Amino acid sequence: AQSVTQPDIHITVSEGASLELRCNYSYGATPYLFWYVQSPGQGLQLLLKYFSGDTLVQGIKGFEAEFKRSQSSFNLRKPSVHWSDAAEYFCAVGASGGSYIPTFGRGTSLIVHP
Amino acid sequence: DAGVTQSPTHLIKTRGQQVTLRCSPKSGHDTVSWYQQALGQGPQFIFQYYEEEERQRGNFPDRFSGHQFPNYSSELNVNALLLGDSALYLCASSLHHGGYGYTFGSGTRLTVV
Repeated sequence: AQSVTQPDIHITVSEGASLELRCNYSYGATPYLFWYVQSPGQGLQLLLKYFSGDTLVQGIKGFEAEFKRSQSSFNLRKPSVHWSDAAEYFCAVGASGGSYIPTFGRGTSLIVHP
Repeated sequence: DAGVTQSPTHLIKTRGQQVTLRCSPKSGHDTVSWYQQALGQGPQFIFQYYEEEERQRGNFPDRFSGHQFPNYSSELNVNALLLGDSALYLCASSLHHGGYGYTFGSGTRLTVV
């Protein structure tokens, strides 16, 4: 069965600073990988996804993520954080041979200081 | 373009009662999945419905059941509510294979007292 580890429960950055959120997955075959964002009291919004091809994936809101098979990682990055980026971020892995149902990590809470 | 719609947004129930949550998928989507998100946790997969049948199920007891209608909308039913069922319940829709990603609704906040 697939699983996801997000080692950082909270991350605090200053507005304008760069950001990297870590995600490690466990899955026996080529995974399908996702990053979602959740604002307080809201549902999940898809930031980006990786299915195959170029390992550097561009998403919405200026986010990108890089798939590294050798490290089983799919870290999310943003060069300059805005105060509106404060939210909960979830990494998820889907089974490539099935219905791609995402299995989520526990999330990383991003706090942005002015 | 309407996204995923869930109702109600908030609900308070008493232990032992039964509850029904509703979901209308995004236009063009035919598959509905339900997730439970406890406070401070990631969403946990409950089950997925496609062609009016439960296609896949997560590690949830039989107290959790569902239904999908011909118009692709779906219901989640929980019987004999426990305090531990208090959570945000998220509905996600997709095209049947899910390869284009899942679109989530804003959820129903269920509180069991």
